[in-house]
Amino acid sequence: DAGVIQSPRHEVTEMGQEVTLRCKPISGHDYLFWYRQTMMRGLELLIYFNNNVPIDDSGMPEDRFSAKMPNASFSTLKIQPSEPRDSAVYFCASSLGEQLDYGYTFGSGTRLTVV
Amino acid sequence: GQSLEQPSEVTAVEGAIVQINCTYQTSGFYGLSWYQQHDGGAPTFLSYNALDGLEETGRFSSFLSRSDSYGYLLLQELQMKDSASYFCAVRDWRGATNKLIFGTGTLLAVQP
Repeated sequence: DAGVIQSPRHEVTEMGQEVTLRCKPISGHDYLFWYRQTMMRGLELLIYFNNNVPIDDSGMPEDRFSAKMPNASFSTLKIQPSEPRDSAVYFCASSLGEQLDYGYTFGSGTRLTVV
Repeated sequence: GQSLEQPSEVTAVEGAIVQINCTYQTSGFYGLSWYQQHDGGAPTFLSYNALDGLEETGRFSSFLSRSDSYGYLLLQELQMKDSASYFCAVRDWRGATNKLIFGTGTLLAVQP
């Protein structure tokens, strides 16, 4: 298995531009999570899906952030418009079921820089 | 809500044993997980303790005491490649939600 695949690995954009981050979870995993990591706030959960349905988006910072999961093999996180404070590493993770015995599998992350 | 506390940094020498502690406060407890993250890399799953006691996986062991709301990760025979950040995490299970809340992480520096 190729693991969780995220793209792009790095993104540099200007303030006000739209940014779209992409994620392909592990085949068969029914949970997908979007996390953001910064030095100040650590790893924060933004939103998660179960069987493609958004379950909890309470971590989404504001209306500028949106996430979709149109099918079991693809999810996007969009920021529009982007701001410098959105600069962070964004991780996608997937898991099988609710059991934590095998943990979450994280992608390599997207390092976003908004200038 | 949830809160987890870990030391921010730990330093040890190659070949030694190091223990990284984690204390937590949570409204509902469903186990303690540990993740490793190398600089610039993705967090990777190390272990999960649902019940009290010690779980061993090679050089790494994880311990949980639910009555003390406390756990630790024990790394033995330290190697340079163990230099990384280590995160404890608990599940937040309020209502229908099912998500992991991570601690702030402990940066382990292994010195030769």
